[in-house]
Amino acid sequence: LAKTTQPISMDSYEGQEVNITCSHNNIATNDYITWYQQFPSQGPRFIIQGYKTKVTNEVASLFIPADRKSSTLSLPRVSLSDTAVYYCLVGDISSGSARQLTFGSGTQLTVLP
Amino acid sequence: NAGVTQTPKFQVLKTGQSMTLQCAQDMNHEYMSWYRQDPGMGLRLIHYSVGAGITDQGEVPNGYNVSRSTTEDFPLRLLSAAPSQTSVYFCASSLQGVGGYTFGSGTRLTVV
Repeated sequence: LAKTTQPISMDSYEGQEVNITCSHNNIATNDYITWYQQFPSQGPRFIIQGYKTKVTNEVASLFIPADRKSSTLSLPRVSLSDTAVYYCLVGDISSGSARQLTFGSGTQLTVLP
Repeated sequence: NAGVTQTPKFQVLKTGQSMTLQCAQDMNHEYMSWYRQDPGMGLRLIHYSVGAGITDQGEVPNGYNVSRSTTEDFPLRLLSAAPSQTSVYFCASSLQGVGGYTFGSGTRLTVV
């Protein structure tokens, strides 16, 4: 299973772009990268998923270099409501085994006014 | 479209009692999972299922049973509650992993 490493915490200010990097040196060929957001007392919420290069949706962008050993979640113009824990997961999403998807400790993002 | 519904939201059990945490989804998702989250920690996988009649163990399965008789429902049974099972339990479902998992709002369980 690909192990992931993320910063424990990050601070930012409202209106800034925030980039959270996740390292996954032993990512396998069939593995996808998925990011979740979790607010206190709520279940995680899916943000974005990708395999290579760049993926963008209405909430965030995911940048994956050619070697796929890391990925960067980019949140444009954050607001106070983006304060949450962000998890990076790496695994073979088509294998059917949820064991492929392991939640680490995540990154606590705090957005300051 | 309700998504993933978990009941109850809160529960207090005495040591040794048994109970079932309910999870239902209305999105016709094949994959369903149960996680527990302890304070300040990430989620740990308890059991998961890739379809009706198919279940498998996750990282921390001891003390828990599951069954999947229908696509919609995936109940989690605590056989004999212990204080170490005090946690927040999340159920999640996914359409074959694509697009990530949709999580329920959780059940906060306290075992005294």
